[in-house]
Amino acid sequence: SQKIEQNSEALNIQEGKTATLTCNYTNYSPAYLQWYRQDPGRGPVFLLLIRENEKEKRKERLKVTFDTTLKQSLFHITASQPADSATYLCALGSGGGATNKLIFGTGTLLAVQP
Amino acid sequence: DVKVTQSSRYLVKRTGEKVFLECVQDMDHENMFWYRQDPGLGLRLIYFSYDVKMKEKGDIPEGYSVSREKKERFSLILESASTNQTSMYLCASSPSQAEAFFGQGTRLTVV
Repeated sequence: SQKIEQNSEALNIQEGKTATLTCNYTNYSPAYLQWYRQDPGRGPVFLLLIRENEKEKRKERLKVTFDTTLKQSLFHITASQPADSATYLCALGSGGGATNKLIFGTGTLLAVQP
Repeated sequence: DVKVTQSSRYLVKRTGEKVFLECVQDMDHENMFWYRQDPGLGLRLIYFSYDVKMKEKGDIPEGYSVSREKKERFSLILESASTNQTSMYLCASSPSQAEAFFGQGTRLTVV
C-alpha cells in the first residue's frame, strides 16, 4: 500500500541554523508533492508545491527538492527563527479527476530554540 | 481571500447518532477532501470528490459516507457514530493538482 514517511521524532535546532526535514514515500508515483505547515489546533497551511519534472523549488527562506528516483523530498528552512516552530507535513498528489487523491505524511514537529 | 468553512468547531454526539459535518468553499474548486487527524497518525483521507456528485474512497472510508450535491458543499456523514470516530475532522478544497485550502477543523467527540 502507499506509504509516506516523515521524521517521526521532533527536530530541535538553534535559531539561525538550517532545518532539514525529510519525506520518503513508497508504492506511489506522484505527479506533484507539497509541503504544509500546521500550528496547534489549526488546519494545515500550504507552503510549496513541486512537480515530478522539477528538481528544486525555492520561496524566500524555504527550499524543496524532489528526487523521484530516491522517492524522497527534502524541505529546508534557512536562517530558522522561533516563529518557524510548527509541524510540517508533506503531501503527495496524483493526476486529475478520480485519481486526484491527496495523501499526507504524519508530519515532523520542528522546534527552533532562541 | 479564499475560504473553507466547516459548520462546527466543536461537536459532542452520542454513540449511534447520525452525524453531519458540513464544509463549504467559496473558490469554485473542483476537488474537495475530508480527513481525520489523530495524534501519531497524521491526516488520513476518508473521502474525496473531484466533481459534483462524484466521490472516491480514501484510505479509511469505513463508517463514513459523503455527499456533494453542489460544487461548493461537501458533507461528511457518520451513519452511526462510534467512540472510535472521536477525532479532529478537516475539510479541504483545491483546484486540479494545486494547493489545498483547509477549514479550521471540527473536533468531534462521541460519547
